[in-house]
Amino acid sequence: DAGVIQSPRHEVTEMGQEVTLRCKPISGHDYLFWYRQTMMRGLELLIYFNNNVPIDDSGMPEDRFSAKMPNASFSTLKIQPSEPRDSAVYFCASSGTGAFSGNTIYFGEGSWLTVV
Amino acid sequence: DAKTTQPNSMESNEEEPVHLPCNHSTISGTDYIHWYRQLPSQGPEYVIHGLTSNVNNRMASLAIAEDRKSSTLILHRATLRDAAVYYCIPRSYNTDKLIFGTGTRLQVFP
Repeated sequence: DAGVIQSPRHEVTEMGQEVTLRCKPISGHDYLFWYRQTMMRGLELLIYFNNNVPIDDSGMPEDRFSAKMPNASFSTLKIQPSEPRDSAVYFCASSGTGAFSGNTIYFGEGSWLTVV
Repeated sequence: DAKTTQPNSMESNEEEPVHLPCNHSTISGTDYIHWYRQLPSQGPEYVIHGLTSNVNNRMASLAIAEDRKSSTLILHRATLRDAAVYYCIPRSYNTDKLIFGTGTRLQVFP
C-alpha cells in the first residue's frame, strides 16, 4: 500500500501567489482530512470529507482557503492569495469506516509550504 | 472534546522503559483513548487505543486508570527511533476526526 500521497513535498512561493496542495488518499478510504501544523498553533484540523462531501470546515482559517474533493482518489487544498503567515506543514490524512472504537487515521508526509 | 494534560517533554535512555502519562479528567463514557506519535519531519502515526481495559500491541502498552481520568502509554524498551512527540487523544466512538493537543516530546539518549 502506497499510503497517503501528498504533493508537492516542498513549496516556496511569493506572497500573493496561488498555492495548490494535492492529496491522494489510501484506496478504499472514505474519509479525508486536511491538517495544518505550525510551531505556534500545533496540529490543527482544517476540514474533512466523507465520501467526497465536506463534513466540517470550521477549521478553515478564512476565505483565502478552499478545499475540494472531486472524486474518491483526489483532493486539493488551495490558498489564494497566499500570505507569509500561511507558512506551515500541511498534512493530508485518510481513514476508512466501520471500527466502533474509531478508525485509524493515516497521515501523509506533509507539504512544507513557505510563503515569502 | 475532553481536555488533556501531558508533560511537555520527557527523557529516556535507550533500552529503558518509558511511561508517558496523560490526564483526561473530563473524558466522557463513550470516549476511547487514542495515542498517536509524530516522528521528526513525518506525519503522525497511530500507536494504540483503548476504552477501559489495558491494551497491548507490538508498539506499546496502554494502561488506563480505573476511573478513566488518566492513562499511561508504556514503551517497554525505548529505542532511538521512538524519539517523537506523543499525543494522547480522547475520541468519542461516534467522532470521525482527531483533535490534537500539544503532546509530549520524548527524547531518547544512547
